[in-house]
Amino acid sequence: QLQLQESGPGLVKPSETLSLTCTVSGDSITSSSYYWGCIRQPPGKGLEWIGSIYFSGSTYYNPSLKSRVTISVDTSKNQFSLKLSSVTAADTAVYYCARGTYYYDSSGSLRPYYFDYWGQGTLVTVSS
Amino acid sequence: DIQMTQSPSSLSASVGDRVTITCRASQSISSYLNWYQQKPGKAPHLLIYAASSLQSGVPSRFSGSGSGTDFTLTISSLQPEDFATYYCQQSYSAPRFGQGTKVEIK
Repeated sequence: QLQLQESGPGLVKPSETLSLTCTVSGDSITSSSYYWGCIRQPPGKGLEWIGSIYFSGSTYYNPSLKSRVTISVDTSKNQFSLKLSSVTAADTAVYYCARGTYYYDSSGSLRPYYFDYWGQGTLVTVSS
Repeated sequence: DIQMTQSPSSLSASVGDRVTITCRASQSISSYLNWYQQKPGKAPHLLIYAASSLQSGVPSRFSGSGSGTDFTLTISSLQPEDFATYYCQQSYSAPRFGQGTKVEIK
């Protein structure tokens, strides 16, 4: 049974870097069939995709967050990680890890398709 | 940047009702459209992918249709466990979700 577990500080100060780790169990993160992603949801609001990573390290980020986002993968630990820099109160949200499928676009680039397994989410609050 | 607009934003319905939720894309997205259900305090759950394909384990009362810019999610006979918020998501370009439709008990 696939499980994704988010972990990281629940409180981050403004201007600092938010760090989140997603641990995958029940499946290998090196599976060639899947793309791993991070999605967030501010309290009482809708969902926002942050970015996705393939086990090879290939990434694809939300253009609106791209300048502040880094997603990396550690295949030895079956984990992937999110870093979001220069955070403000607007980054307060429940952060989810998810497994996704992918397709190749017309230029041959990997693109996320849909997200079929999600972690339970973790609330990260940005406040001094 | 492709915008996704869901309607209505909320609706009230009774058990047994047929419910339809619409999602419109600001430009054609072919069939790159997925639907999720989210209950309070829980992660979203995939219902439909590729506009009309039912995810494994999802009850057959859920169905999706559409292509291009206009899509619908239909619940043929609303059950008590279906009261939740529903989101569409396009994957034609950088993934983007609709603003959600909350289905409440009438």
